[in-house]
Amino acid sequence: SQKIEQNSEALNIQEGKTATLTCNYTNYSPAYLQWYRQDPGRGPVFLLLIRENEKEKRKERLKVTFDTTLKQSLFHITASQPADSATYLCALSYNKLIFGAGTRLAVHP
Amino acid sequence: DVKVTQSSRYLVKRTGEKVFLECVQDMDHENMFWYRQDPGLGLRLIYFSYDVKMKEKGDIPEGYSVSREKKERFSLILESASTNQTSMYLCASSLTPGQARSEQYFGPGTRLTVT
Repeated sequence: SQKIEQNSEALNIQEGKTATLTCNYTNYSPAYLQWYRQDPGRGPVFLLLIRENEKEKRKERLKVTFDTTLKQSLFHITASQPADSATYLCALSYNKLIFGAGTRLAVHP
Repeated sequence: DVKVTQSSRYLVKRTGEKVFLECVQDMDHENMFWYRQDPGLGLRLIYFSYDVKMKEKGDIPEGYSVSREKKERFSLILESASTNQTSMYLCASSLTPGQARSEQYFGPGTRLTVT
C-alpha cells in the first residue's frame, strides 16, 4: 500500500530563513499532491496543489516542488515568520486523499 | 469563504454509548468526508459521501456509520463507543466530483474521549 513519509521531528528555524519540509512516498506517483497547514486543535487548511506534470508551484512566500522520479515533494516557506509555526501535512491524490502525519515547524524570533 | 462546522469541539462519552457527530457545510459542496486523526498516524478516512443518501467506506469504517439526508449535513455515528475510538474527528467537504484534484475544507474538529 502507499506510504507517505514526513519528518516526524520538528523543524526549528530562525525567523527570516527559508523552511524546507519534505514529503516522500512509495509506489506510484499521484496525479496531484496537496499541502495543508494545521494549527493546534484546529482542522487543516489547504495551501497548495501541484499536478504530476508540474515541477514547481508558487504562492506568495510558499513554493512546492514535485519530483516524480525521486517520489518526493518539497515545501518551502521563504522569509519565515513566527506566525508560520504550525504542522504541515502533505496529501497524495489518487482516487482519494492519503495524508502524511505531518511535520511541525517552529520559527523562532 | 467555505465554512464547515462541527457540532461539538469536545465530547466525553462512556463506553457503549451511541455517539453522534454532526457536520454542516454552507457552500453547496457535493463531497463530504469524515476522518480521524491520531498522533503519528495522520488523517485516516472513515467514510465519505458524493451525494445525498450516498456513502462509501473509507479505510477504517469498522465501528462507524454515517448518514447524509441533506446535502449540507453529514453525520458520523459511533454505534457503541469504545476506548479505542478516542480521537480527534475531522469533517471535510470539497466541491468537484471525485476526491483527487479538489482541495478539501475542514471543520475545526471534535476531540472525543471515550471513558
